[in-house]
Amino acid sequence: GNSVTQMEGPVTLSEEAFLTINCTYTATGYPSLFWYVQYPGEGLQLLLKATKADDKGSNKGFEATYRKETTSFHLEKGSVQVSDSAVYFCALSDTSGTYKYIFGTGTRLKVLA
Amino acid sequence: EAGVVQSPRYKIIEKKQPVAFWCNPISGHNTLYWYLQNLGQGPELLIRYENEEAVDDSQLPKDRFSAERLKGVDSTLKIQPAELGDSAVYLCASSLGGGETQYFGPGTRLLVL
Repeated sequence: GNSVTQMEGPVTLSEEAFLTINCTYTATGYPSLFWYVQYPGEGLQLLLKATKADDKGSNKGFEATYRKETTSFHLEKGSVQVSDSAVYFCALSDTSGTYKYIFGTGTRLKVLA
Repeated sequence: EAGVVQSPRYKIIEKKQPVAFWCNPISGHNTLYWYLQNLGQGPELLIRYENEEAVDDSQLPKDRFSAERLKGVDSTLKIQPAELGDSAVYLCASSLGGGETQYFGPGTRLLVL
């Protein structure tokens, strides 16, 4: 079945550091890929998405590229801020016709001033 | 544009009591989803509605959980009776249609004592 694997956290960085959160997936067919962010006590907010191979999703300085050859969708940001502290979830759209999203376990990011 | 609205935001009940969660999706969104998010995990789909029809409820524990979306807009998820293991965050999401991007509400955090 389809699945998503994320790097375990927490990831602790200093402000202005470079961020990479790894995400790899297993899927039949061609899923869409997503990154969602969850701030403390809140729901999931869509951060970015990519719908086909080699697409790059970007938003608020974050970006991720859909790499079919390595089945990856790593999240990157060149310079993190304290306000980026949150839990980041990688997800894919199930390709079996259910339309459900399959999520990774989340990676907690903590940015220190 | 208003996002997905959920209420209550927090609920504390004793085991064996009933509880209900309410969701109002984004206007015009025909597809509505209920997800369960356990602590430290990604969300998992419980049920998906296309308008008022439940088209995927295979992950819904039907002995104690029920859901409805009577007029194809708002939805209610009910647990009766609640068990300790039901303590989690219940997330509602909506999309224009199946396969379209899902937008999540803030969730209802349930604690069963």
